[in-house]
Formats: sequence, C-alpha cells, structure tokens
Amino acid sequence: DAKTTQPNSMESNEEEPVHLPCNHSTISGTDYIHWYRQLPSQGPEYVIHGLTSNVNNRMASLAIAEDRKSSTLILHRATLRDAAVYYCILFWGNKLVFGAGTILRVKS
Amino acid sequence: DSGVTQTPKHLITATGQRVTLRCSPRSGDLSVYWYQQSLDQGLQFLIHYYNGEERAKGNILERFSAQQFPDLHSELNLSSLELGDSALYFCASSVGQGVTKLFFGSGTQLSVL
Repeated sequence: DAKTTQPNSMESNEEEPVHLPCNHSTISGTDYIHWYRQLPSQGPEYVIHGLTSNVNNRMASLAIAEDRKSSTLILHRATLRDAAVYYCILFWGNKLVFGAGTILRVKS
Repeated sequence: DSGVTQTPKHLITATGQRVTLRCSPRSGDLSVYWYQQSLDQGLQFLIHYYNGEERAKGNILERFSAQQFPDLHSELNLSSLELGDSALYFCASSVGQGVTKLFFGSGTQLSVL
C-alpha cells in the first residue's frame, strides 16, 4: 500500500493559520492525495483532495509540491472545532487506506 | 449528518458469538466501504463493494464476511468473535468506485466480553 508520513501531533492557536504537512515519496502518477479528519466520537469527514494542482474549498486549501512527493493541508483560520485527527491518504486501487494521522490541538 | 446510516450503534456480545452490522448508504451511492477502528490499530480498511460486487479487500479476517444487496445496503458479518474484535466499525459510501469523496457513518461500537 502506498504510504504517507505525517507528524504525530501539532498545536495551533485559535484564529491562526495551520499548515499540516504530509510526505508521500512513493506516490505514483495516478494516486490522488486525499485529506480526511476525524473529530472525537465521530466518523471520518472528507476535507479535500487533489492530483497535481493546488485545490481550495470552503474548508481548506491543499498545496501539492511540484514533484508530488509532499503536500500541505492549510486551514486558514483554526477554530476550536477544527481540533481533530487529520489523515493524509493516497487513494488507489479502490482503497482508501488510512495512516496514523496528525492530532491537531487548537488553543484558545 | 452524512446520510449514511449504521445500525446498531452499540452491540455487546460474548466471545464465540456471531453478529451482523448493517449499513445503508446515501441515496444514489453505489459504493460501500467497511473500516475497523481500534485503539491500537487505527482505522483499518476491510472491504469495498460497488453495486453488489466486491471491488477491493483489505485486512479482513476470514471470520468476517460482507455483502452488498440489490437495494445497495450492506452487511458485515463477524463470527467466532474474540475479545480483540472489540472496536468501532465504520461504513462509508460514495457515488462511484474510483477516486471520489467518501461519506462515513457514525459507526457501530462492538464490545466482545
């Protein structure tokens, strides 16, 4: 399975931007980069996905390196409700295989 | 609310027993995915069905089986249950079978005593 590497945890202040990094050095040309998050006691929730170009939606932005070996999820203004586990995943072969994710803590 | 319905929300049973977890996907979604989440293993992909056919298998034990019915709902059957099967089981659905957005249910918490 294609692997991703993320920091175990990160901390942010409320109302400040957060940059969550992800390394995926073994990515293939057809792997899409997906981000999901899981709030406490809930199922995972889709955040954003992309292939090569940077992507924006109402929740976040996804910046993809030119060689596609890394990406960064950007939350423009973190709120307390953004505290969650964030998963960076490569979607391939009809599978979405989750790694350990990054625990994001947001301080008020 | 994701639109994906999982029942029951909680299930308590004994070792050696068999249980069935049910998932109703969002209206119009043809794909169903099953995941197991335990404290030590994280989110583990089990199996993916698309329009009634198995499309991909993950770390699913032989004691576990799944199927997707003509009305597109899916069931995950767990048999000969062991203490280690205690976990949160999630179902997710999506429109297609390729690169697409998954919608997750709120899960079934299985406790094997």
